[in-house]
Amino acid sequence: GAVVSQHPSWVICKSGTSVKIECRSLDFQATTMFWYRQFPKQSLMLMATSNEGSKATYEQGVEKDKFLINHASLTLSTLTVTSAHPEDSSFYICSASGLGEKLFFGSGTQLSVL
Amino acid sequence: QKEVEQDPGPLSVPEGAIVSLNCTYSNSAFQYFMWYRQYSRKGPELLMYTYSSGNKEDGRFTAQVDKSSKYISLFIRDSQPSDSATYLCAMSAGNYGQNFVFGPGTRLSVLP
Repeated sequence: GAVVSQHPSWVICKSGTSVKIECRSLDFQATTMFWYRQFPKQSLMLMATSNEGSKATYEQGVEKDKFLINHASLTLSTLTVTSAHPEDSSFYICSASGLGEKLFFGSGTQLSVL
Repeated sequence: QKEVEQDPGPLSVPEGAIVSLNCTYSNSAFQYFMWYRQYSRKGPELLMYTYSSGNKEDGRFTAQVDKSSKYISLFIRDSQPSDSATYLCAMSAGNYGQNFVFGPGTRLSVLP
């Protein structure tokens, strides 16, 4: 299957700092990428949808100034958690669509804010 | 009524058992149906992809879609401890990945 690379897989940061997470589609062009948040033993929660070259569409309740998404190319989307706080600690996952109706996921990033 | 419903489990079975995982949905526009497997602290992995109604088999996995009943299933034969994971159903009406809807996931444990 298609490969979506996400890194870092694990990051610890101090409260108030910003963290950038990268999501790359390695062997296909991703017209659309999605960012999710997942709490332990819960399902995926869609945060935003990003299309290459346009502004991301955020789900209700997700702060766009807090979670900055950039989809600068057909193979790269980034999520920046700005001024992170302990309540932002979570597992973040990206997915990419570009091969018809299939969605492929990255391996996830565990963010811990101290 | 939620758009996609799935028994959250947890479901525990002995090794070698046949596992049946199911989802029901309400939106008759869904045409694309997928099953993902997610290990703890990993991203979901696409297991099965089906368009419209019918069956699809891949090794020990069989996916069934019954659009008339709005019901999809994933069967796992000869289950192994390595199958222990959370299984998510997902579906879409089309439009290149937009508007995917996921079930909440079923946690499966296969006991050796």
